[in-house]
Amino acid sequence: DQQVKQNSPSLSVQEGRISILNCDYTNSMFDYFLWYKKYPAEGPTFLISISSIKDKNEDGRFTVFLNKSAKHLSLHIVPSQPGDSAVYFCAASSVRGFGNEKLTFGTGTRLTIIP
Amino acid sequence: DAGVTQSPTHLIKTRGQQVTLRCSPISGHKSVSWYQQVLGQGPQFIFQYYEKEERGRGNFPDRFSARQFPNYSSELNVNALLLGDSALYLCASSPSARETQYFGPGTRLLVL
Repeated sequence: DQQVKQNSPSLSVQEGRISILNCDYTNSMFDYFLWYKKYPAEGPTFLISISSIKDKNEDGRFTVFLNKSAKHLSLHIVPSQPGDSAVYFCAASSVRGFGNEKLTFGTGTRLTIIP
Repeated sequence: DAGVTQSPTHLIKTRGQQVTLRCSPISGHKSVSWYQQVLGQGPQFIFQYYEKEERGRGNFPDRFSARQFPNYSSELNVNALLLGDSALYLCASSPSARETQYFGPGTRLLVL
């Protein structure tokens, strides 16, 4: 039962353009969402998060949008840079429900930035 | 400041053996979580510990166990290893049980 889904295994984007990574979830108990970036041979690096009380959060080149009615979130990277090439994981938790910060991850999207 | 550290970085074991993986959290972080990532999948939650008590357990068999020490470091033990236990084991720490988790580089376990 995949509660967090990233339906695009890979994405290629030209340097300088916008990268949009998508994530869908099924569990309505999730109320906190995060994006992590992972390089080979390294652990996931936290990028940005959003609480379910918001619909947008920005941090520099990274913006996360949350559509609760559609159970959908997206990560926008503008402008895309070669160093952004990595695997991106969407993760969700239920701070209200589970009483802990158990993260449920998607399967990841491999982003390749083309110079 | 040092990030989350894990040891060893790589490990090769045979079926039926036991393994212990270690994790040191970021200084000041009191919560440690363990995840298993198999190839092509996202990390799967195994355990969370906060202030030396188990706060959560994922859908893993009893062969998996963990503990947290007074200095907040943690060990993950896996008994009676199976081929399917081959994976990257990730440790994450956070200041409390409800804050953003920061991951270590992981221990890659290969079971032959």
